[in-house]
This record gives sequence, structure tokens and C-alpha cells, in this order.
Amino acid sequence: FVLTQSPLSLPVTPGEPASISCRSNQSLLHSNGYDFLDWYLQKPGQSPQLLIYLGSNRATGVPDRFSGSGSGTDFTLKISRVEAEDVGIYYCMQALQSLTFGPGTKVDIK
Amino acid sequence: QVQLVQSGSEVEKPGSSLKVSCKTSRESFTQRVFIWVRQAPGQGLEWMGGIIPKYASTQYAQKFQGRVTITADESTSTVYMELTSLRSGDTAVYYCARGKIMVGVTGLPHYYYGMDVWGQGTTVTVSS
Repeated sequence: FVLTQSPLSLPVTPGEPASISCRSNQSLLHSNGYDFLDWYLQKPGQSPQLLIYLGSNRATGVPDRFSGSGSGTDFTLKISRVEAEDVGIYYCMQALQSLTFGPGTKVDIK
Repeated sequence: QVQLVQSGSEVEKPGSSLKVSCKTSRESFTQRVFIWVRQAPGQGLEWMGGIIPKYASTQYAQKFQGRVTITADESTSTVYMELTSLRSGDTAVYYCARGKIMVGVTGLPHYYYGMDVWGQGTTVTVSS
């Protein structure tokens, strides 16, 4: 499984929306109906943190401005209104066969 | 609040072995998977392997097969990652993380996902 993310760099303006794409070379949709795709954010100098699991489920404590969508091979992470604390590197991760991370998308303030 | 507390930084010589620990609470140990992920300087995240302590079942990334061993000690609620035959390319921050599990077609836990708690990271430097 190979994951590609776009863009790899995303300058954002606080208060504006932002979107990151993650594409897999193979479907991440299991026969049980779940898409095995997570999103993580690694803030500068910190450990990664879980944002979204199984494609669209927001993790506990994650603000509702973050949402995940998509199925199969195409997934999107959306931030409805970016805040300054959202800067960092966003990774998607597939969990259908072993685990693989995408290359990461660096988000910073314009 | 659940925490994963990792052992401290290490400096190792090429060819030697490394063992990093990751301690959590007893309540956090059950029905969960614990994985190890590393991050070389300036690079992305790389999965190494994982263990479900309740079943003592492990999975390893193909890249590390034969060189990494992940174990769990339920008596101390601690997970360990041992990496042998160290080389300079193993210089990285090593993270443990706790995640959710889902059963596979055999009815046994097979899928790892949703890593919701991460350790603080252990910096490992391999240098002669």
C-alpha cells in the first residue's frame, strides 16, 4: 500500500478553510464496510495525535472544525476554519494491511 | 488520563542492540494494541510493528522482520521494543502508541487503527 498526500505544503490563513487529500494505490474499504484510514497531526516538537479514525470518525477531544471524508482510495481531511494552533504536519495512515503512513502535509500560517 | 511513558534517550554503537520501554496503566493494557513508530531526523513516520498484549500476538513491518522484537509484560503494564544490529540509519525518535483493534476473518484481533495515545518519544542516536 502506497499513500500519496497533496499538497505537501499548505500555507493557510486563520479563519479560512483548508483541505488535504490522501490517495491510496489500493482500496482501503474492508468487506465489513469500514475504511481503514486515519488522520494524525504532529505539532512542532510534539508526538503525533489522532484526529480522525476509520475515515470519518473524529477522535475524542478533537474540535468539530476537523472532518474526514472519502472511501476506497480517495480521502479528504477538512478544517472548516483554520486556527493558529492547527499548524504542523498532517499524516494519513492506512491500516488495512499492516500500517503505512503518507508522506505528510506541512501546514503553516501564511 | 491515560499516558504512555517511554524510557530515556540512548546513544548506541553500530552493531549493538537497543531496547526501549513504554509503560502504561493496567486499565489501558487490555483489549488494545501497542505499536512502535519511528521518525528519522526531518523525516516522516514509519511503522515498525505492534503487539496485542492480551493475545501476545505481534505483527512486524517487513522492513524490520528479523531485526525487531516487540514484547509485553502484563505484570508491569509495559511494552518493549528491541532492535538489533543497529546502524546509523536507525538514528531516530522512537514512539510507542496505543490503538484500537478489530477482529479479522478468523474472529481473532487482526486490524490495528486509531492510535489515540502516544508516548513522549525516545531519541536514539547510533554512532561510533
